[in-house]
Amino acid sequence: NAGVMQNPRHLVRRRGQEARLRCSPMKGHSHVYWYRQLPEEGLKFMVYLQKENIIDESGMPKERFSAEFPKEGPSILRIQQVVRGDSAAYFCASSRPYNEQFFGPGTRLTVL
Amino acid sequence: GENVEQHPSTLSVQEGDSAVIKCTYSDSASNYFPWYKQELGKRPQLIIDIRSNVGEKKDQRIAVTLNKTAKHFSLHITETQPEDSAVYFCAAIYEIQGAQKLVFGQGTRLTINP
Repeated sequence: NAGVMQNPRHLVRRRGQEARLRCSPMKGHSHVYWYRQLPEEGLKFMVYLQKENIIDESGMPKERFSAEFPKEGPSILRIQQVVRGDSAAYFCASSRPYNEQFFGPGTRLTVL
Repeated sequence: GENVEQHPSTLSVQEGDSAVIKCTYSDSASNYFPWYKQELGKRPQLIIDIRSNVGEKKDQRIAVTLNKTAKHFSLHITETQPEDSAVYFCAAIYEIQGAQKLVFGQGTRLTINP
């Protein structure tokens, strides 16, 4: 059973470009979570999704950030018009309902 | 509100000694408390968890205790080894409108000195 997959592992963007981060949950997991981790800091919750539904997006910045988890395919975290402050590690986690979350390897976004 | 406080932020112990990390949470309805270990440049890995129907859980050199009345829980690592050096995060589950959110503490950077 493959773990949570994220791609790309490293992403470099120039200011103003778009970043798309992908997450494939573990088999059998219907819940996906996105977290952001700034260097030397903790994990900040961004958004919680189930298939085709956003359950809680209270941690998402109001502008430029969006997330989806379509019926088919991976979950996508999209950042439009990136700025230097968006540089961070973005982790995806997945779980079954009311069970522990398993983290993917993360995508390290660098904005030049 | 949703809040998890974790202390200390850094901890340095001699190899072979014990390490204790403490967390408090704010929602008495929280019922699941996992601990994650994150090595440099890697993903957080679940090392132990506890549910609110028990007060203590142990797995080899790692144990977690939970005091629901006081709303705090602790991680205990005995006979520490150099490979225990990492950042440790506690977390608590908060349920909001039927959905679950894992709220993390700020992390503890544990260094084991040989």
